[in-house]
Amino acid sequence: KAGVTQTPRYLIKTRGQQVTLSCSPISGHRSVSWYQQTPGQGLQFLFEYFSETQRNKGNFPGRFSGRQFSNSRSEMNVSTLELGDSALYLCASSLMRDRAYNEQFFGPGTRLTVL
Amino acid sequence: AQKITQTQPGMFVQEKEAVTLDCTYDTSDQSYGLFWYKQPSSGEMIFLIYQGSYDEQNATEGRYSLNFQKARKSANLVISASQLGDSAMYFCAMREGRSGANNLFFGTGTRLTVIP
Repeated sequence: KAGVTQTPRYLIKTRGQQVTLSCSPISGHRSVSWYQQTPGQGLQFLFEYFSETQRNKGNFPGRFSGRQFSNSRSEMNVSTLELGDSALYLCASSLMRDRAYNEQFFGPGTRLTVL
Repeated sequence: AQKITQTQPGMFVQEKEAVTLDCTYDTSDQSYGLFWYKQPSSGEMIFLIYQGSYDEQNATEGRYSLNFQKARKSANLVISASQLGDSAMYFCAMREGRSGANNLFFGTGTRLTVIP
């Protein structure tokens, strides 16, 4: 069974640009969560999508947005990039939600560098 | 208040020895899950072990065991017989059950170095 895939793996952008990252969950998984990892702030939750609906959102500005398609693939978009957006963006997929135990399988991440 | 606290930024252990990585958590939920992940330099988060708040026994997965002390709100990871490949960042995380949401709260991590 293929794992979680994220594309692209590496990305370099300049301030003010926008970027779209993609995540394909494990086949059959309907929940996709996104996390941002930086040296200063650590791992922070961005948002979760389940059955094409955003179910939960972290404390990030509106420049960060996402969506999920009918095949559960998810994209996240960051507009008007800032230097502080440089980070490793991790995507995690889960089979379900609303359970105490719900293992999240992580992808390899997309490393975004904003110049 | 931080939901997950890892007080050890870095730890060293001799190969084949056991090591304990500390984790304390803060939640008012009765139902929650605690996770440990390993992150090698490649960046991918690798799931190691899970402990549910209602689980009466400590979780074990091969060389990994979780020392769960609910009253103290601690969930320490014990790695036995350390191997060179265990050198990585280790993150403790919690999922609160009340909200039904799938977001994990992570600690700041502990960098483990295994010395040959």
